[in-house]
Amino acid sequence: SQWGEENLQALSIQEGEDVTMNCSYKTYTTVVHWYRQDSGRGPALIILIRSNEREKRSGRLRATLDTSSQSSSLSITAAQCEDTAVYFCATDAGFASALTFGSGTKVIVLP
Amino acid sequence: EAAVTQSPRNKVAVTGGKVTLSCNQTNNHNNMYWYRQDTGHGLRLIHYSYGAGSTEKGDIPDGYKASRPSQENFSLILELATPSQTSVYFCASGDACNQAPLFGEGTRLSVL
Repeated sequence: SQWGEENLQALSIQEGEDVTMNCSYKTYTTVVHWYRQDSGRGPALIILIRSNEREKRSGRLRATLDTSSQSSSLSITAAQCEDTAVYFCATDAGFASALTFGSGTKVIVLP
Repeated sequence: EAAVTQSPRNKVAVTGGKVTLSCNQTNNHNNMYWYRQDTGHGLRLIHYSYGAGSTEKGDIPDGYKASRPSQENFSLILELATPSQTSVYFCASGDACNQAPLFGEGTRLSVL
């Protein structure tokens, strides 16, 4: 497996707090994608970080990538209720631009 | 606007029956994918395609067939549905020039 065998993890935070979620992967990848999935919807890309980037920012999102430890993180600054979703990291499967997904982190932002 | 459309959105099937899930993309992408997502888990790749006429096995192809009759359409076929195939199925399209695959809204399949 590309990833560990952990099941979906869940985090509950208060509105305005920061949250960080982590992923580790086993095989080489040139890019890590971060998707969010709202309840009943398909996954949507929120940020992508390539192997030549250590950090990438987009609005309140910050992604990091450490190729030496084969790990990536996604941080959300000053979380809002609308950030409540499941967040997945995904790596290059190595063929047809397909992705291999991690098990995801469910983030619940409480008012 | 780029779009991936799946039909039906919900399906109830009987064990041993045939099920066909359809996917249409208007993005002119070469590659298309079928994933399944089980409660509490990530997405797992079932089949994928490089273009019209091409179908390839992904990580969990057993019990599934795929068909890519055109650039726009990619179907997932369960010839003999089993309760273990109860899941949410996602179609996606992408290509080497695209930033990341675009996903449809999913089909919820229940096999009774």
